[in-house]
This record gives sequence, structure tokens and C-alpha cells, in this order.
Amino acid sequence: QVQLQQWGAGLLKPSETLSLTCAVYGGSFSGYYWSWIRQPPGKGLEWIGEINHSGSTNYNPSLKSRVTISVDTSKNQFSLKLSSVTAADTAVYYCARVMAAAKHKVYYYYYMDVWGKGTTVTVSS
Amino acid sequence: QSALTQPASVSGSPGQSITISCTGTSSDVGSYNLVSWYQQHPGKAPKLMIYEGSKRPSGVSNRFSGSKSGNTASLTISGLQAEDEADYYCCSYAGSVVFGGGTKLTVL
Repeated sequence: QVQLQQWGAGLLKPSETLSLTCAVYGGSFSGYYWSWIRQPPGKGLEWIGEINHSGSTNYNPSLKSRVTISVDTSKNQFSLKLSSVTAADTAVYYCARVMAAAKHKVYYYYYMDVWGKGTTVTVSS
Repeated sequence: QSALTQPASVSGSPGQSITISCTGTSSDVGSYNLVSWYQQHPGKAPKLMIYEGSKRPSGVSNRFSGSKSGNTASLTISGLQAEDEADYYCCSYAGSVVFGGGTKLTVL
């Protein structure tokens, strides 16, 4: 049973860099993409981006300029950095495993089947 | 990439059936088996309920079913139970992952 455990700083000041890490336990790390999703208070889900074990990334175009997702295969971990945060980045941040199949960049299915419990990040001066 | 369109809220009485719609485009919802549905209870992480449009993960009740017609996907919950009260999100992919705005299900 795959489990995701996530952690990181919960309180940031504007302009600082958000940093979160997600560790994968109980299953294979390679062969999947691993994703970050966030949810502002009282609002819906927003996909941030994803990475695979080789370090190949895809980002939400609206956040791409500020987001870096990296991977540490030796520890079965992947991390999120979001720079220059503002109050609008206040949210619960989730990590998740992606199940997907694609050929020539055309996806046939895509979903997130295992989720971390979430980390609350607050940006306030 | 625009968000998928869901009704803000739906409600039903115990035992009844409800359907939540999710409207997108031919590039996302209307393409292959790219729709998934997630249930989220307050303060909890989302839980996968339907994937590839109509498949249920192991452990998810068969009261939950998914379907698609054109560019609109639907989640149907039959035999409503109090524990089904939650927020539901659809999700698809078209160059980037996109979620619906979420639907709050109230069990009366």
C-alpha cells in the first residue's frame, strides 16, 4: 500500500520561497509521475505540476515562472519550491501519485490515485 | 486552460440518486478516458472515486458510477447515504491538468 508523507514550512512571509517535500513509502517510485496540487481556503483544487523519477517535469502555465519541482530518487522523495509567495499562495498543498498513459504526448488516461494528507501553508506578514 | 464546469451544489434525500455534471471541451473531457472524480470531506485529502471516466478503484462503493456524453462527464451516486455528503471534483487533462470548480453535495 503506497503512502505519501509530506512536510514543510507552514508559515511564510511575502516574497519568501515555499518549500515542501513528499516521501513515497511502500511502493515503486519509478514508472510514475508525482504531482503537487493546492487548495486555497474555501476554494477548489489547482494543479501545480508534476515530475517523474527521471526528473522530467510539467508545470501549470499560470505558475510556471515561480515553480520548481525536483526529485531525489535515492530517498524516494520529490519536492516543491514556489518562489516569491504572496497571500494568494496561502493554501493546503497536497502531493499525489499520477497514473497516466500517453503516446506521442497524447494522453489516454490520467488520474491521481494516492494522495498525501496535505500541508497547510500560510503567507502573512 | 479553463476550469471544467460543475454545478456549485446538489442535494438529495437518503436513498435517492443524484448526478453531478462536468462540462469541458473536446480537448479534455471529450478526449479518450481522461475524466476522474474525487470526493473530499472537510479537512481531508481528496479521494479518487472514478477514473478513466467510469472505472471504480478497489474499495469504492458500486453506488458511485461515471459516464460521459460528448464533452460532458457525469458522476451518479445512487442510494444516497449521509456519509456521501462532501465536495466532489472532476478532473481532466489537456496539455495540463484541469479541475472542475467543485460541487457540494448535501444529503437532506
